[in-house]
Amino acid sequence: QKEVEQNSGPLSVPEGAIASLNCTYSDRGSQSFFWYRQYSGKSPELIMSIYSNGDKEDGRFTAQLNKASQYVSLLIRDSQPSDSATYLCAVNVNTNAGKSTFGDGTTLTVKP
Amino acid sequence: EAGVVQSPRYKIIEKKQPVAFWCNPISGHNTLYWYRQNLGQGPELLIRYENEEAVDDSQLPKDRFSAERLKGVDSTLKIQPAELGDSAVYLCASSSGQFLETQYFGPGTRLLVL
Repeated sequence: QKEVEQNSGPLSVPEGAIASLNCTYSDRGSQSFFWYRQYSGKSPELIMSIYSNGDKEDGRFTAQLNKASQYVSLLIRDSQPSDSATYLCAVNVNTNAGKSTFGDGTTLTVKP
Repeated sequence: EAGVVQSPRYKIIEKKQPVAFWCNPISGHNTLYWYRQNLGQGPELLIRYENEEAVDDSQLPKDRFSAERLKGVDSTLKIQPAELGDSAVYLCASSSGQFLETQYFGPGTRLLVL
């Protein structure tokens, strides 16, 4: 079992719809959670970070964290073609050595 | 503010040859990461530095990979000798301090080993 798992997709939604991306993790000691967007041929860029259970909203993006169920999700409202990219979930474990683990990403396509 | 700088952007070498990648983090960022990203996969951490100290190198294949971060600023990642399976994108990232902080990624070096 991978430490951070995401549906590989591809996920396709029409323009204006809500895109829902999910991520589960195995280490209960995980403390911080990140969503990165990666366009083809580019490096990851941070979209959202979340540390506490519940929802965190930033513009069209909402991150949801449920530590008891060990999942984190990203909702994209009013999806735009420019949102088409691979979305990476990253989880950090709070240990002295630190550990950053990424999932393999979900590829999202928003069709005009 | 300048972002994370990496060079070269692309490198093509033959197997068994050595190769080196260079990274200059964002000014003031104490933590530096090297990742390897294979096609269709997420970045895999190779090594993490806190200033000059390598605090997590458990995933670094030490038989052929080495890294250094002299003076706690720039860093170099070396592969010697390179193998076909090393073909990947090598990403450098930096953050301001604690591992809970946001990581900022450089553009990456795309390595092709023939």
